[in-house]
Order: sequence, then structure tokens, then C-alpha cells
Amino acid sequence: KAGVTQTPRYLIKTRGQQVTLSCSPISGHRSVSWYQQTPGQGLQFLFEYFSETQRNKGNFPGRFSGRQFSNSRSEMNVSTLELGDSALYLCASSLVGREQYFGPGTRLTVT
Amino acid sequence: AQKITQTQPGMFVQEKEAVTLDCTYDTSDPSYGLFWYKQPSSGEMIFLIYQGSYDQQNATEGRYSLNFQKARKSANLVISASQLGDSAMYFCAMREGRKGANSKLTFGKGITLSVRP
Repeated sequence: KAGVTQTPRYLIKTRGQQVTLSCSPISGHRSVSWYQQTPGQGLQFLFEYFSETQRNKGNFPGRFSGRQFSNSRSEMNVSTLELGDSALYLCASSLVGREQYFGPGTRLTVT
Repeated sequence: AQKITQTQPGMFVQEKEAVTLDCTYDTSDPSYGLFWYKQPSSGEMIFLIYQGSYDQQNATEGRYSLNFQKARKSANLVISASQLGDSAMYFCAMREGRKGANSKLTFGKGITLSVRP
């Protein structure tokens, strides 16, 4: 079975721009979660989608948004990028109530 | 208060020896799950082991076992027979609420493990 895939793997953007990251979950997994990982703040939960509905949201500003499609693929969008948004963005998928499996991440650098 | 605490700054272990990585947690929810993940330098998070709050026995997965002490709110990971490939960052994480209600994980700050040949 293919694992969680994330595209792109690396991204360089300028302050003020917006970015969209994509995540394809493991086949059959309907829950997709997003996390931000930085050296200072560690791993922080962004949001979770289940059956196209946002089920849970972390403590991030409204510039961070996401969505899930009917095939369970998910995207997250960050608008008006700030330097502090530079991070590794990890997507994870799971079956209901089971452990999450993570993708390789998208490393975003904001200059 | 921190929900997941991992205080060991860095751990070193000799190849083929066992090592214990500490994790304490804090929750008032009677239903929760505890997870350990490994993150090598490549960045990908690898699931290792899971323990549910109502599980009577400690979880084991191959060389990994979880020493679950509910009264002390600790969930230490034991790696037996360490291998060079075990060198990585290890994260303890918790999901609060009943299984299936949500998938949100709260992570600790992680512990770096280095295995010496």
C-alpha cells in the first residue's frame, strides 16, 4: 500500500505571498491531520479533516486554512506568508480511531 | 501545564543494549491514547507503538515496548537491543478523548537518541 504523499517537498516563498500544500492519504484513510514543526515550537496541530469536514482546529491564525476533497485528499493554504511560517508541514492520515501515519513533509522557507 | 513532558535532553546507548526514553503526560480525560513516533534526520515521522488508557497490558511491538504506569501518568518507551538505525529523535504524543472522536495529537518536545557502535 502506498504511504502518505505530500507535494511539493520543498518550497521557497516570499513574505506576503500565499502557498498551497497538498496531501494524499493512504488509501481508505478518511481522517487527515496537518501539523507544523519548527525548532522553537516543536510539533503543533493545525487541523483535522474527516469526510470533508473540519473536525478539529489548532490555535493558529485564520491565515491557515485547509480543505478535504471527496477522495480524502487534503490541501492546506497559508495566505500572507510571514517569516515565522517557515517550517516543516506534516500531513498524517488514519483510519478512524487508529494511529496516524505521516507523510515526508513539505519544507517551507519564507524569505 | 504541559500535556506531554519529555525532559531527557539527549540519550546515548551502546549498540545491542536496551534504552528507556521517558514520557510523562497530563490529562483529566479518562479516555486517551499514548503514542511514540520516531523521526530520523530525513524528517518523516514513523509510528512505533500505541497504548490506550484502558489497556490492561503494556503494549509491545517487536523491539519496542511501552512501560505504562497510569497512576504515575508515565508512558516510557523501551527499546531493546539497540541498533545503529535507531539513532533519531523520538516523540511521545497523546490523543485525548475516546477513540474515533478525533485524531488530534499533542506532542512532547522529543528526545534525541544516539546509538554508539
